[in-house]
Amino acid sequence: KNEVEQSPQNLTAQEGEFITINCSYSVGISALHWLQQHPGGGIVSLFMLSSGKKKHGRLIATINIQEKHSSLHITASHPRDSAVYICAVDKTSGSRLTFGEGTQLTVNP
Amino acid sequence: SAVISQKPSRDICQRGTSLTIQCQVDSQVTMMFWYRQQPGQSLTLIATANQGSEATYESGFVIDKFPISRPNLTFSTLTVSNMSPEDSSIYLCSAGIQGTGANVLTFGAGSRLTVL
Repeated sequence: KNEVEQSPQNLTAQEGEFITINCSYSVGISALHWLQQHPGGGIVSLFMLSSGKKKHGRLIATINIQEKHSSLHITASHPRDSAVYICAVDKTSGSRLTFGEGTQLTVNP
Repeated sequence: SAVISQKPSRDICQRGTSLTIQCQVDSQVTMMFWYRQQPGQSLTLIATANQGSEATYESGFVIDKFPISRPNLTFSTLTVSNMSPEDSSIYLCSAGIQGTGANVLTFGAGSRLTVL
């Protein structure tokens, strides 16, 4: 069983919809990262969380340390949000990350 | 946050050859890492590049296959040695500055390697 599980694996939405991607982990962590990977392969760091909630534009990330669960929300989704979203955990506070399998998001106009 | 220049962006290589990938950071960073992303899969950490000393490899990765250099706080290389088709992957580096609760990482654009 993977230490980091994401759901769903694939998600298709219509423009404007509210999107939620979930991440569950089974190990103790110092931080959790949400990453975005575009088709060319480049990765952008969206959030790093150790507790609570963070918001940046239309993106919101939450984490519940007791339940070992995090969610990434996208409000008013847009086709440019289409990408793979990856959850990664830092078990050691040294940024040696363990990655989830990723969620392929497609937003149709 | 730091900006990373990674090259080459892609390459096609012959079996048995070696390829060196470079990551140049625009500022000094305390942490640099190398990852592999095999086709259709997520990322796997290969190693931590340590400045001035040998890299720290994750389980399943060895120095003879993936030698890493980090001569200073802004530059690192990963070599994929004696390549086989199974090494066809995207290789990425990341960098960051370690701080209390603030280990934000920046990623390179990736090097897409195809081994024939």
